[in-house]
Amino acid sequence: RKEVEQDPGPFNVPEGATVAFNCTYSNSASQSFFWYRQDCRKEPKLLMSVYSSGNEDGRFTAQLNRASQYISLLIRDSKLSDSATYLCVVNMRGGGADGLTFGKGTHLIIQP
Amino acid sequence: GAVVSQHPSRVICKSGTSVKIECRSLDFQATTMFWYRQFPKQSLMLMATSNEGSKATYEQGVEKDKFLINHASLTLSTLTVTSAHPEDSSFYICSADIEGGETQYFGPGTRLLVL
Repeated sequence: RKEVEQDPGPFNVPEGATVAFNCTYSNSASQSFFWYRQDCRKEPKLLMSVYSSGNEDGRFTAQLNRASQYISLLIRDSKLSDSATYLCVVNMRGGGADGLTFGKGTHLIIQP
Repeated sequence: GAVVSQHPSRVICKSGTSVKIECRSLDFQATTMFWYRQFPKQSLMLMATSNEGSKATYEQGVEKDKFLINHASLTLSTLTVTSAHPEDSSFYICSADIEGGETQYFGPGTRLLVL
C-alpha cells in the first residue's frame, strides 16, 4: 500500500466552480499534514497546513480526518491560476520538520 | 517566507562525470536540509537528510557513495552525483527547515540531464 495516495486526475474544472480532492495516508501515527502546490517544472510551494479542526485560507479549505486517515482540499470559485498539481504531504515521523512523504499529486486544470 | 536557493538550475553532463549541486538558505540558518529527487510524473522522493556538521542520513535504496552530501555550514549543503549515468537524470530539489518549524522550504530545483 502506498504511503500517501492521491487521485492523479486530471481534474478538468470550469472557472468559478468548486473542486475538491482527497488524499489518504497509511501511517496512523503521522503528525503533520500539508497541501503543497507544484507548477510545471517548478519546486513545490506550501499552500497550507492541515489541522485536525480544519482550516480555511481564502478560497481554500483543508480538512483532516484522523479516524479515516484522509485529508481533503476544497477550492471555491476556482481561478485559471489555480491550475497546478496539488501535492498531499505527510510528516510520518513525528513532530517537527523531518523528511516529508509526498503523494504523486492531483493535476488540476481550470478551463475558461 | 524563508528563501532557499539552488545552483545550478540545470546541468547537462556526459556519462561518467560528477556533478555538484549547491543548496543555500539565504535568510536563515538551517541545521537540517533535505535532498529529494523527482522523476517525470512521479512524486518527490526523499533521498537523504543532511545535518550540519555530521554525516547525512540516507533513505533506503539510495547509495551514499554515489550521492555525496556535505553540510559544512548552517547555510550550505551540497549534493554531488558521482559518475553520473543517464538513469540519474532527474529533478533534484533541496529543502530546509527552520528550527522549531513544522514544514520545509524548497529550493527551485536542479534539472540534471546525463547524456
